[in-house]
Amino acid sequence: AQRVTQPEKLLSVFKGAPVELKCNYSYSGSPELFWYVQYSRQRLQLLLRHISRESIKGFTADLNKGETSFHLKKPFAQEEDSAMYYCALSPYGGYNKLIFGAGTRLAVHP
Amino acid sequence: DAGVIQSPRHEVTEMGQEVTLRCKPISGHNSLFWYRQTMMRGLELLIYFNNNVPIDDSGMPEDRFSAKMPNASFSTLKIQPSEPRDSAVYFCASSLARSLNTEAFFGQGTRLTVV
Repeated sequence: AQRVTQPEKLLSVFKGAPVELKCNYSYSGSPELFWYVQYSRQRLQLLLRHISRESIKGFTADLNKGETSFHLKKPFAQEEDSAMYYCALSPYGGYNKLIFGAGTRLAVHP
Repeated sequence: DAGVIQSPRHEVTEMGQEVTLRCKPISGHNSLFWYRQTMMRGLELLIYFNNNVPIDDSGMPEDRFSAKMPNASFSTLKIQPSEPRDSAVYFCASSLARSLNTEAFFGQGTRLTVV
């Protein structure tokens, strides 16, 4: 079964605190994993993808195949990071379809 | 390019009425996806097309839901008859399915309320 699990519906932190948004996946093949973000009143947009190994807006995510995880991290949260974050899996040969987790709302307080 | 364009942005309708949601993908993209977003279930993939052909509609909840893509620049999602539990935000997304890890671009969504 292809599944993405985000165990936390809400993560509330103070500005400057470290952030880790958890994501676990279930997929028998080699996964392509993404993090998408939805800021208030904006459309859903790509934040980062695992194959790029990039850092976007200070966020990083490492694919851990042993733990089937793709957690999103940022060492120092900013208020503008407050948004809804979705982890997504794209199965091989799926024409780039995305299977999303339930999402985690990140609230960064001043 | 204005990105993926969805219409209407908001739709309020009475139970039993037919609802049609529209989507214009980004020019040149060959894959199109319809998603539904609710508080309880998050983002669910309803159906997706490649080169205007439906590939997988297993996510469509019931026969009341149907989707078409008559050409590369237009798709519709129809609910007939609509029910209150269909209330959700419906997103359309498109991508170029030519290589791996191609980004999907989302529209602004249609917020549907069935009363």
